[in-house]
Amino acid sequence: NAGVTQTPKFQVLKTGQSMTLQCAQDMNHNSMYWYRQDPGMGLRLIYYSASEGTTDKGEVPNGYNVSRLNKREFSLRLESAAPSQTSVYFCASSVQIPGQFFGPGTRLTVL
Amino acid sequence: GNSVTQMEGPVTLSEEAFLTINCTYTATGYPSLFWYVQYPGEGLQLLLKATKADDKGSNKGFEATYRKETTSFHLEKGSVQVSDSAVYFCALSDRPSNSGYALNFGKGTSLLVTP
Repeated sequence: NAGVTQTPKFQVLKTGQSMTLQCAQDMNHNSMYWYRQDPGMGLRLIYYSASEGTTDKGEVPNGYNVSRLNKREFSLRLESAAPSQTSVYFCASSVQIPGQFFGPGTRLTVL
Repeated sequence: GNSVTQMEGPVTLSEEAFLTINCTYTATGYPSLFWYVQYPGEGLQLLLKATKADDKGSNKGFEATYRKETTSFHLEKGSVQVSDSAVYFCALSDRPSNSGYALNFGKGTSLLVTP
């Protein structure tokens, strides 16, 4: 099992460009999450999907959209990137018990 | 709302020293508590967890006890190694409604262990 995979690993965008971060899990987990990690801020929840077909906003959803494509895949889209979205993005998944499994992260720089 | 406060780093220790990283929380209800570890350039890995008061989570020589009376979940290790150098995150998760188990994280504590 690969666990949680994320693509790309690194990305540089110019202000105003759009992109989609991809996430997939092969553990048959119901719930999936997107976090961003910024220095001194810990991880903050952007969006989550409790189950296939549902998505909900987390703590910092502005400027992002998500799609739960199927049970395996959960993508995060930046429609018009801003320098404030420079961060490391982590996808995670879980079953209906506490504890999440994290992907390796995507390091995004917006110039 | 829920929140997690952990001691600020960086923490620098010599090999074989005793480690304590403090974590306190604020939550309504009865959360589950976690410690995650992040090695340089990697994602987060679950280190240990406790789901109810007085539970002790343990893994790889690390321990933490869920103390409801002091709302704390301090991480300890009796003898650290250079390979323990990483960032440690304390986190909590509320009981789910239909929202899965979203986590609230502390800001992280960087640990550097020197030979």
